[in-house]
Amino acid sequence: KNQVEQSPQSLIILEGKNCTLQCNYTVSPFSNLRWYKQDTGRGPVSLTIMTFSENTKSNGRYTATLDADTKQSSLHITASQLSDSASYICVVDGNNRLAFGKGNQVVVIP
Amino acid sequence: NAGVMQNPRHLVRRRGQEARLRCSPMKGHSHVYWYRQLPEEGLKFMVYLQKENIIDESGMPKERFSAEFPKEGPSILRIQQVVRGDSAAYFCASSPRTGGPNEQFFGPGTRLTVL
Repeated sequence: KNQVEQSPQSLIILEGKNCTLQCNYTVSPFSNLRWYKQDTGRGPVSLTIMTFSENTKSNGRYTATLDADTKQSSLHITASQLSDSASYICVVDGNNRLAFGKGNQVVVIP
Repeated sequence: NAGVMQNPRHLVRRRGQEARLRCSPMKGHSHVYWYRQLPEEGLKFMVYLQKENIIDESGMPKERFSAEFPKEGPSILRIQQVVRGDSAAYFCASSPRTGGPNEQFFGPGTRLTVL
């Protein structure tokens, strides 16, 4: 079983709308949790990194939350743009070994 | 400051040939990581290297795969006698140090296709 599970696997949203992506993990020990954006045919680009003591972090229209007790994280995209179409990958760092989710595939349509 | 560079971006090999993938880390970064991404799958850790040292190769297949990060030049991921199952995107990431939430910066990847 994958140590990092993301949902929904894919979603389609209208431009300008908000959406929330979920990540549940079982990785232990836990050091930090990262969200990456991966455009088709490109390498992942970091959006946020949160340590155990942080429960929210923003990067522009992206806001990530972390509940280390329940081992859940979410990534909220506000006022989506066409350029937000990508795969969003939840990554958990356990002692410098990264465990990757399969990603949430987001498609923004006009 | 150039980002992580990987080449070639696309590589086609026939079964049984060798594939060599190169990764130049960001300037000032001495830690390199290789990952493999199969279609519809998440990235999987393969190997972690520092200059002239393999730190963690627990994600590397036991046979045909090897990696190095020499004192001079790029890191090389080498796959000998490739098979169709090796077709995947191979990503390299680099970081400046270990300890703390050490961010890894990813390259654009090399897409290997084995015919």
